[in-house]
This record gives sequence, C-alpha cells and structure tokens, in this order.
Amino acid sequence: DSGVTQTPKHLITATGQRVTLRCSPRSGDLSVYWYQQSLDQGLQFLIHYYNGEERAKGNILERFSAQQFPDLHSELNLSSLELGDSALYFCASSRNRDVPDTQYFGPGTRLTVL
Amino acid sequence: AQKITQTQPGMFVQEKEAVTLDCTYDTSDPSYGLFWYKQPSSGEMIFLIYQGSYDQQNATEGRYSLNFQKARKSANLVISASQLGDSAMYFCAMREAYSSASKIIFGSGTRLSIRP
Repeated sequence: DSGVTQTPKHLITATGQRVTLRCSPRSGDLSVYWYQQSLDQGLQFLIHYYNGEERAKGNILERFSAQQFPDLHSELNLSSLELGDSALYFCASSRNRDVPDTQYFGPGTRLTVL
Repeated sequence: AQKITQTQPGMFVQEKEAVTLDCTYDTSDPSYGLFWYKQPSSGEMIFLIYQGSYDQQNATEGRYSLNFQKARKSANLVISASQLGDSAMYFCAMREAYSSASKIIFGSGTRLSIRP
C-alpha cells in the first residue's frame, strides 16, 4: 500500500459526460501528480500541483482540469468525454517540489467511456 | 530531450532464476533520478527502487538491485531468485531535477512472466 488513495476505482460513463476523479496524497506529501495510462499512448504525465498551486502541465487536454485543495487532496475533472478518454488514471504524490524524489502512485481509477 | 528505452517487450524466466530487465535513458540534465515500477495485472503501479544520478553505489532493495552504468546511460533492474509473484509489467522511468522536475518519463515496459 503506497499510502495514496484514489476514488472511485472504476467509472463507467457515456460520451459527452463529465466526471471527477479524487486523490489523497501520502501523509506529509505536498506534491500531487496526475497521469493517464492508455494502451496506445502508454503512461503520460498530465499535471503537477504543489501545495495548492499548479507547477507544471503535460499532455493535458483543455477539456480536463485539476485542482489541489487546502487539505492537499486533488481532483481531476474530465468533461465532454470521448471514447478515447477511456484509460487508467493515476494520481501520484511526493514530498518535494523541484527535486527528482520518488513519486508514489495510487491504485488508479479505470475510466470507461461508452 | 529526455527518453527512456526498454528494448525487451516480453521475457520468460524460470522460477528461482535471476533476471535482468534492460533500460537505457537519455538526458542532458546532470541531476536526475531513475526508477523502476512494477505493474501487476491488477493495475496498480508499485515503486521498486530508486537511483540518483550522483549516487556512487548501485541501489539495492531486497531482491531488487539496479545496475547503474552512468557513462553508458544504462539502468538495468536485476531481480534475484525470481518468484511467481514477480510476473508483471515492469517500467523504467526517469525524472530530471531542473528542466522538467515535475514529470516522470516512462519507458514502454517489459512484461515479465515467471514459469513454475
């Protein structure tokens, strides 16, 4: 158990809908990262938050947004969903901001868009 | 640009044998971290081992060791005395300190299957 929690574990929805994925980092970790794992693209970095502030964006679509709250949990919002958004979405956390320390991953949310 | 290459899409190994999973990387950043993660069929991403670019000694964690050859930009994972539970997808990954400290770049993975 990495100490990172993600809910829900599975999510099935229809095209055009909006969903919210939730993540709680390990105790003491201030950084939260979101990744998408799909069969054709592999593991892709989406976005990084540190102590409530956005630090970096990766290959995140404009239909997707995220935030980190004062209690450090984070939410990833996916809107106007398309079939191609079906993937495993991981949240990870680490202690620091700008050093290459270990990122610990949550169990993931498997999103299926029908 | 940073890049991770895993050239072995799949491997079959007999139980109790040692196995080496290959990983090469490319970066222009002098400070970086190298990681190995295990992803079993259940889907979670499990951290195995970390090697810092300035570490003088190879990292070890139980049955896992990282064969770090900096000049060759190689970071192979060695699993000693393999077990059936080691069957999984293994990802090599890298994180740079300066240019893009936020993200981890992952290789394409190696699917390891342990035969009883």
